[in-house]
Amino acid sequence: DAKTTQPNSMESNEEEPVHLPCNHSTISGTDYIHWYRQLPSQGPEYVIHGLTSNVNNRMASLAIAEDRKSSTLILHRATLRDAAVYYCILSGDSWGKLQFGAGTQVVVTP
Amino acid sequence: GAVVSQHPSWVICKSGTSVKIECRSLDFQATTMFWYRQFPKQSLMLMATSNEGSKATYEQGVEKDKFLINHASLTLSTLTVTSAHPEDSSFYICSAHPPGENTEAFFGQGTRLTVV
Repeated sequence: DAKTTQPNSMESNEEEPVHLPCNHSTISGTDYIHWYRQLPSQGPEYVIHGLTSNVNNRMASLAIAEDRKSSTLILHRATLRDAAVYYCILSGDSWGKLQFGAGTQVVVTP
Repeated sequence: GAVVSQHPSWVICKSGTSVKIECRSLDFQATTMFWYRQFPKQSLMLMATSNEGSKATYEQGVEKDKFLINHASLTLSTLTVTSAHPEDSSFYICSAHPPGENTEAFFGQGTRLTVV
């Protein structure tokens, strides 16, 4: 499965935007880019996913580079509840089978 | 939205005993469910794919005789940790996704297993 690379941690002030980068230089043409987040002692929660075009939903936006070798998750206005580990994952050949990397710990300060 | 529920949320057991963890999809049917394990301060590690009506598929390095998976119905998968030892203490999480193309995965709330 193609791997992703994310920064270990990022810090943001409350109500400021957060841009979380993810590199996936070995992505295949059929891989979707997924983002999940995990709060402490909870199961992960879906954030967003996309294939080629940028995607928006109520939680976040996903900007995908034209060559698809990188993407950025955008939280438009961080709140304290957004403090979590964010995982960028490629779908691989089996939908739903997610190989988690280390993720990015997002810290939101008031 | 769709819900995946795990039971129990936490369990403490003695070394050598077996523990069963249930994963249910409450409002959709899932032919496939996934089991993960997470140690403190680490990421989730995929253990196995649970297939309804057939054998589970285990990831490399996961002992199938130790982690028994049964997916007897389209809404229930169980993971049994047999002859548990302290090193099996971990956070076990299941996931499933509704039928259809490109649906998101829903995760259970996790089960904290402590073996003493």
